Amino acid sequence: QQQVKQSPQSLIVQKGGISIINCAYENTAFDYFPWYQQFPGKGPALLIAIRPDVSEKKEGRFTISFNKSAKQFSLHIMDSQPGDSATYFCAAWRKGSQGNLIFGKGTKLSVKP
Amino acid sequence: NAGVTQTPKFQVLKTGQSMTLQCAQDMNHEYMSWYRQDPGMGLRLIHYSVGAGITDQGEVPNGYNVSRSTTEDFPLRLLSAAPSQTSVYFCASSYSKNEQFFGPGTRLTVL
Repeated sequence: QQQVKQSPQSLIVQKGGISIINCAYENTAFDYFPWYQQFPGKGPALLIAIRPDVSEKKEGRFTISFNKSAKQFSLHIMDSQPGDSATYFCAAWRKGSQGNLIFGKGTKLSVKP
Repeated sequence: NAGVTQTPKFQVLKTGQSMTLQCAQDMNHEYMSWYRQDPGMGLRLIHYSVGAGITDQGEVPNGYNVSRSTTEDFPLRLLSAAPSQTSVYFCASSYSKNEQFFGPGTRLTVL
């Protein structure tokens, strides 16, 4: 069963707009929540990550919001740029496991000039 | 540092053939993983290792074998390739949960 659900599947945003991608997880057995960015033909790369005892983390134009009680977290990209066009994955690390990272299905973001 | 390297970049197999996807990292990371990426499915964990000699199964381990004899290398073996194993395979390594580094991927087609 899918343990990390991501939406939307695809997203089109105008340059300068805000891109919002949402994820939800199904149980409390996760203790670290990263977001990865992937460009075509490349491997994913870590963008930003958050621990569940923090409600928000900001790095430049990228912000993660985390709602522990609702088991939801989201990525906000402010002032979206065409160079942000990529596929974004949310993910969750299992507690006590260094090797077990579960990914959402991904969101393809297109930022129109 | 070369980071995480994967070979080959592309491979075409016939059903029933076996092959090994190579993965190596030069960052002295203890933790290494293999994922497959299929359209609309995200990345799914096949096998992972928390150190030399220690491996465990992920979400989709059937049809794949792994071993970890050194810290640097983590090969993935397809025992008898099937068309359902057509995918892009990514190897990754990490020192901690803070960041997992991914290789460039191997695009595998099974006819």
